Amino acid sequence: RKEVEQDPGPFNVPEGATVAFNCTYSNSASQSFFWYRQDCRKEPKLLMSVYSSGNEDGRFTAQLNRASQYISLLIRDSKLSDSATYLCVVNAGSQGNLIFGKGTKLSVKP
Amino acid sequence: DAGVIQSPRHEVTEMGQEVTLRCKPISGHDYLFWYRQTMMRGLELLIYFNNNVPIDDSGMPEDRFSAKMPNASFSTLKIQPSEPRDSAVYFCASSPHPLAGGEGTQYFGPGTRLLVL
Repeated sequence: RKEVEQDPGPFNVPEGATVAFNCTYSNSASQSFFWYRQDCRKEPKLLMSVYSSGNEDGRFTAQLNRASQYISLLIRDSKLSDSATYLCVVNAGSQGNLIFGKGTKLSVKP
Repeated sequence: DAGVIQSPRHEVTEMGQEVTLRCKPISGHDYLFWYRQTMMRGLELLIYFNNNVPIDDSGMPEDRFSAKMPNASFSTLKIQPSEPRDSAVYFCASSPHPLAGGEGTQYFGPGTRLLVL
């Protein structure tokens, strides 16, 4: 089983739509969880951390289910500028490094 | 802060040649990471350093790859000899100590696009 699994997509949605991405992770010792965003031909950048109680940042909502080892990202009122690849990221247990999923590609159309 | 700086941004070389990629992390960050990204394999961790000391190099593909961090502000990733299958984007990232806040958030450089012919 891969350490971090995501649906690669692409998700093609119209502007204004709500879209959700899911991710599962295999290491139950993981303590930190993130969503990163990567634009085409650019470097990954932190979008938001994911907290146990769930957290929201504007149109973005992240949820964590430790029992199921499952992370989600919800984007409301999609904008054209949201088009990117979204990477699910978990820390490698007690180590300092992060494990990245392969990403889910989102394309928002006019 | 200028962020993580990588050079060169693009490199085209011929099989068998030595390639050296360079990285300057964000000042004050304790951790430095080297990644490789391809369409097939996604983002793969090659090696990471803590306070200039290599901690985990299990991701380094083979002996042709080596990395050094002689001081807190500079690291190199060397491929010798290079092969066409090494073609990828190589990212360097740095992060502060988790106790310094940010939960180990990593900040990436712009990457080096390597093409080995």
